[in-house]
Amino acid sequence: RKEVEQDPGPFNVPEGATVAFNCTYSNSASQSFFWYRQDCRKEPKLLMSVYSSGNEDGRFTAQLNRASQYISLLIRDSKLSDSATYLCVVTRGATNKLIFGTGTLLAVQP
Amino acid sequence: GAVVSQHPSRVICKSGTSVKIECRSLDFQATTMFWYRQFPKQSLMLMATSNEGSKATYEQGVEKDKFLINHASLTLSTLTVTSAHPEDSSFYICSAREGVSGANVLTFGAGSRLTVL
Repeated sequence: RKEVEQDPGPFNVPEGATVAFNCTYSNSASQSFFWYRQDCRKEPKLLMSVYSSGNEDGRFTAQLNRASQYISLLIRDSKLSDSATYLCVVTRGATNKLIFGTGTLLAVQP
Repeated sequence: GAVVSQHPSRVICKSGTSVKIECRSLDFQATTMFWYRQFPKQSLMLMATSNEGSKATYEQGVEKDKFLINHASLTLSTLTVTSAHPEDSSFYICSAREGVSGANVLTFGAGSRLTVL
């Protein structure tokens, strides 16, 4: 089983739509959780950390369910500029190593 | 914010040659840097953890004699792909974490795209 699993997509949505991505991780000892964004042929950039209580940053909302080992990202009012690959990232157990999911491709259509 | 500089951004070399990639933390000290590799349409795969002043620790399946890592200072780690072959062609990305501990947030370099002919 992969350490971090994501639906690769693509998710094709119209501008203004709400879209949700899910992610599961296998190591129950993982401590830190993130969503990164990666544009084509570029390096990943941190979108937001994910906290146990859930957190929101503008149009983006992240949720964590430790019992189910499940992370989600909700994007409201999608913009064309949101088109990218969204990477679910988890620390490997209690280490500081970040393990990346395969990413979910989002394409926002005009 | 923290900035990580990676060089070169793109390199093309002949099979059998060695290629060195540099990763620098520009405005902070990084005791630990991480090297990742990404093949097309695949995820970033952690290759190794570079520790300043000590040996790097490699992930399972990564040949330490092929991918030489040196972390001689708190701001510089290098990855040398020795005797490169076409299957080593990939996007290599380094990252660094500011501070000794904390939020585990990594800052990534812009990546180095290696093509081995």
